[in-house]
Amino acid sequence: QVQLQESGPGLVKPSETLSLTCTVSGGSISGYYWSWIRQSPGKGLEWIAYISSSGSTDYNPSLKSRVTITVDTPKNQFSLKLRSVTAADTAVYYCARHFAAGYSSGWYEYWGRGTLVAVSS
Amino acid sequence: DIVMTQSPDSLTVSLGERATINCKSSQSVLYGSNNKNYLVWYQQKSGQPPRLLIYWASTRASGVPDRFTGSGSGTDFTLTISSLQVEDVAVYYCQHYYKTPFTFGGGTKVEIK
Repeated sequence: QVQLQESGPGLVKPSETLSLTCTVSGGSISGYYWSWIRQSPGKGLEWIAYISSSGSTDYNPSLKSRVTITVDTPKNQFSLKLRSVTAADTAVYYCARHFAAGYSSGWYEYWGRGTLVAVSS
Repeated sequence: DIVMTQSPDSLTVSLGERATINCKSSQSVLYGSNNKNYLVWYQQKSGQPPRLLIYWASTRASGVPDRFTGSGSGTDFTLTISSLQVEDVAVYYCQHYYKTPFTFGGGTKVEIK
C-alpha cells in the first residue's frame, strides 16, 4: 500500500521560504506524477504544482512565480519550496500521487495526511 | 481557469434518505477525443485528507460503496448518495482535471437530520 508523508517546519516567518518534503513508501516514485495541494479556510483546496518522476513540472499560474517543485528519485521523495510567504499561505499542505501511471492529469487516490504550515512572525 | 461551483453549500438529510450534490464547471470538461468527462468527486472527513470516490465523472473508485453514484456530462454533474449512512457525514468536493490548473469546488457539507 502506497503511503505518503509530508515533513517540514510547521511555522514560517513572513517573507521567508516554506520548504516541505514528501516521502513515498510502499511503492516507487518512478513512473508516476506527484502533486502538492493545499487547503485553507479562505481558499479551499488549491492545486499548487506537479512533477513527474523524470522531472517534468507544471505549476498553478497563481503561484508559479514563487514555487519550485523537485524530485529525488533515489530517495523516493519530492519537495516543494514556496518563497516570500505571507499569512495567506497558511494552510494544510498535502502531497498526493496522480491516479494513473504516466498520466499527468491530476486526480488523486493516495494522499499524505497533510501538514499544517502557519505563516507568522 | 475553470471555475467549479458546488451547490448547496450544506445539506441535512435523514438517515436512509437520498442526498444530492451538484457541481457546475465554467467550461466543458468533456474531452472530445475520448468522450470522457475529466471530473472527480472526493469525500473529506474532519482531520483527514480527501478520499477519492468517483473519477471520470461516474466510475466508482476501489472500495467505494455502490450507494455513491456520479452522473452528468459537459458542465453539469451530480453526486448522489442513495441512502445516507452515519459514516457519510463529511464534506464533498468536485474537481476537474481537464487541464491545469486543476481546480476544486468549494465543498458541500453533508449532515444527518
